[in-house]
Amino acid sequence: AQKVTQAQTEISVVEKEDVTLDCVYETRDTTYYLFWYKQPPSGELVFLIRRNSFDEQNEISGRYSWNFQKSTSSFNFTITASQVVDSAVYFCALSEAGANNLFFGTGTRLTVIP
Amino acid sequence: ETGVTQSPTHLIKTRGQQVTLRCSSQSGHNTVSWYQQALGQGPQFIFQYYREEENGRGNFPPRFSGLQFPNYSSELNVNALELDDSALYLCASSLRGRYGYTFGSGTRLTVV
Repeated sequence: AQKVTQAQTEISVVEKEDVTLDCVYETRDTTYYLFWYKQPPSGELVFLIRRNSFDEQNEISGRYSWNFQKSTSSFNFTITASQVVDSAVYFCALSEAGANNLFFGTGTRLTVIP
Repeated sequence: ETGVTQSPTHLIKTRGQQVTLRCSSQSGHNTVSWYQQALGQGPQFIFQYYREEENGRGNFPPRFSGLQFPNYSSELNVNALELDDSALYLCASSLRGRYGYTFGSGTRLTVV
């Protein structure tokens, strides 16, 4: 059975602070994919990153960085120097190899206060 | 390259009625998935369509059904609407075999 846990329901930070969003997953498969999506108030899910289970390299993209650790089944997301435009709900998701769907966590609502 | 478009944006229906939601997939994508997102929750997989056939289904009753057309666009039909069907319905398109999903902005359905 697969499971994605985002324990932080809501986070508020002041602009320019760094913030880390946690994601812990469970799967019996050895091959799987992990995703982060951003959902602004408009509703669409905006793709941020996809990692496969064989690639544990951390990744940095501008102010965004991701820390993938198979040993702790975690795939955490850090925003550096947060901005008001980062305010949104962020979802972590899992897809097992051969599956045709994404399994989402419950999301973390991030509010960046100016 | 056009993205995923969904219509209508908002919809209000009465319990017991039927509803049809529409989705146009991103150019080059041949697979469409539908998700239901209740308020404060993550999206839940309803089903996926590939080559005009259902290709996997989540834990949703048969009154949730769909279609995919030759141009890869899709419809989600829900019969005998219940109050709990009130949610944001998201469509995602992808290229079969690839793990890149592009989502639309969704249709917000309210059942009263």
